[in-house]
Amino acid sequence: GAGVSQSPSNKVTEKGKDVELRCDPISGHTALYWYRQSLGQGLEFLIYFQGNSAPDKSGLPSDRFSAERTGGSVSTLTIQRTQQEDSAVYLCASSLAGWGAEAFFGQGTRLTVV
Amino acid sequence: TQLLEQSPQFLSIQEGENLTVYCNSSSVFSSLQWYRQEPGEGPVLLVTVVTGGEVKKLKRLTFQFGDARKDSSLHITAAQPGDTGLYLCAGAAAGGTSYGKLTFGQGTILTVHP
Repeated sequence: GAGVSQSPSNKVTEKGKDVELRCDPISGHTALYWYRQSLGQGLEFLIYFQGNSAPDKSGLPSDRFSAERTGGSVSTLTIQRTQQEDSAVYLCASSLAGWGAEAFFGQGTRLTVV
Repeated sequence: TQLLEQSPQFLSIQEGENLTVYCNSSSVFSSLQWYRQEPGEGPVLLVTVVTGGEVKKLKRLTFQFGDARKDSSLHITAAQPGDTGLYLCAGAAAGGTSYGKLTFGQGTILTVHP
């Protein structure tokens, strides 16, 4: 595709359920990021994948959050036992390489936990 | 952990006024980027600065990278309502295991009133 694609665009889930958010990065981009953004706020870093290196998971807020990147392409962010405070927009971005390359963002998944 | 302090967090001005947004850190970055985000969209890159002391201009926007590559500023001249949005700075890590990883500031919400 021409850009970063995220699905679903909106997700409403009940507290305690697990959710999976998907990110299809731009083909050939080696770096992939997940961020979380609350309404009217900046970006909260969650996880960073770069090539075959071990992912930087330092931003994951709890062990309920995990992410995978299969084959260096598609990534899935999983939130287990969702809580109301997990409600936010989850943004995925990809870039060609680590050094100062432009990050291209998807339009995000708006997660609402009720 | 590299942190970027962005200020001010909120800025509400009248059309025609000038403004400056600051991005500061104690860490050195290999490059620094500025993004603009509109509601419902992901951030979009405005500019990348790479060299200490570098100044780049984009129409009414002027971006500067500090000599020590630890800070940056965005200056908008004669702001217009179309400039309204969330402005984010992002620094690329200069080394270590997360080389090139982007760290975002908290963002500045700019509102320009007609």
